[in-house]
Amino acid sequence: KNQVEQSPQSLIILEGKNCTLQCNYTVSPFSNLRWYKQDTGRGPVSLTIMTFSENTKSNGRYTATLDADTKQSSLHITASQLSDSASYICVVTPYSSASKIIFGSGTRLSIRP
Amino acid sequence: DTAVSQTPKYLVTQMGNDKSIKCEQNLGHDTMYWYKQDSKKFLKIMFSYNNKELIINETVPNRFSPKSPDKAHLNLHINSLELGDSAVYFCASSQDLPTSNQPQHFGDGTRLSIL
Repeated sequence: KNQVEQSPQSLIILEGKNCTLQCNYTVSPFSNLRWYKQDTGRGPVSLTIMTFSENTKSNGRYTATLDADTKQSSLHITASQLSDSASYICVVTPYSSASKIIFGSGTRLSIRP
Repeated sequence: DTAVSQTPKYLVTQMGNDKSIKCEQNLGHDTMYWYKQDSKKFLKIMFSYNNKELIINETVPNRFSPKSPDKAHLNLHINSLELGDSAVYFCASSQDLPTSNQPQHFGDGTRLSIL
């Protein structure tokens, strides 16, 4: 079982709608939890970075939240656009060892016009 | 101006060959990384260098050898390529160590296919 689990595996929504992607992790404590956006055929692009003590971080229409008690993070996308179609990856860097950077398998988001 | 550039973008070669992938970053970052993304889209860290020194060396076959001639370059040489090496390899860089809260900047990947 991966230490970073993402859900749903894939999601289709209409343009303009909001959505929330989930990330459950077992890694604790950690240095940071990151959300990346990966377009098809491209490298991941950093969206947000949160430390263990933060509970929310925004980047435009993207807002990440963190609940350290339940070991869950969410990425909320507001007023979705066609260009939001991509994979969204949750990444946790353990406090004790950066070599154990753990990636979730991602959520594949498709925005329909 | 591409921040992290990898070459080649595509690499198709025969099993048993030796090949290299090059990576350069023009961001002035101190740390560079190599990642492997398999067919299931999981990304796994392979190596990381900070100021030309190896700081992360995950469980990777010793057929894979990274080389960092300077802070702006981190190349990956692979000997005796095997079918299981087929994947997308990503180079990345960050200002500081991976445990810092600096973003990592990724290249667009090298798609390696072993025939």
